[in-house]
Amino acid sequence: QKEVEQNSGPLSVPEGAIASLNCTYSDRVSQSFFWYRQYSGKSPELIMSIYSNGDKEDGRFTAQLNKASQYVSLLIRDSQPSDSATYLCAVNRAPSGSARQLTFGSGTQLTVLP
Amino acid sequence: KAGVTQTPRYLIKTRGQQVTLSCSPISGHRSVSWYQQTPGQGLQFLFEYFSETQRNKGNFPGRFSGRQFSNSRSEMNVSTLELGDSALYLCASSRQSTSSNEQFFGPGTRLTVL
Repeated sequence: QKEVEQNSGPLSVPEGAIASLNCTYSDRVSQSFFWYRQYSGKSPELIMSIYSNGDKEDGRFTAQLNKASQYVSLLIRDSQPSDSATYLCAVNRAPSGSARQLTFGSGTQLTVLP
Repeated sequence: KAGVTQTPRYLIKTRGQQVTLSCSPISGHRSVSWYQQTPGQGLQFLFEYFSETQRNKGNFPGRFSGRQFSNSRSEMNVSTLELGDSALYLCASSRQSTSSNEQFFGPGTRLTVL
């Protein structure tokens, strides 16, 4: 079992729709969770971080965390063609306050169709 | 505020050579992490430096090494290059070296080993 799993996609949604990206992780001690967006040929760009169970909203983006189910998701509302990219889920397996070791999922490729 | 910078952006080397990559973190950031990204393996953690000390190391051979200077700038070195070392090498910085600290990536160095 991979430590961080994402559906590789590709995921296609029409413009204006909600895109839902999912991620599961295997290590229960994980404390910190991050979503990055990576355009083709570019480096990853941080979109959201989430540390507590529940939802966290930032503009059109909502991150959801369920530690009991070891599940984190990213919702993109009112999807735009400019959101077309690969979305990477990253999990810090180290206990809170200690050194970091981010483990990344393989990414979900999202295409927003005009 | 300037972002993370990496030099050089592109490198072509031959097998057996060694290479040194450089990373300058965001001003005020004291932690620098290095990652390798390949199509097959995705984003993998190499190591993290904080206050000139290596805090954590990923599962890479000893040919991969790094260091951090007093101004937080970091270098990574790969000796005896192999074809499989061809990858995008990414540097990420954060203020502190705790699990909850957000990391911001530089543009990367694209290394090609012939």
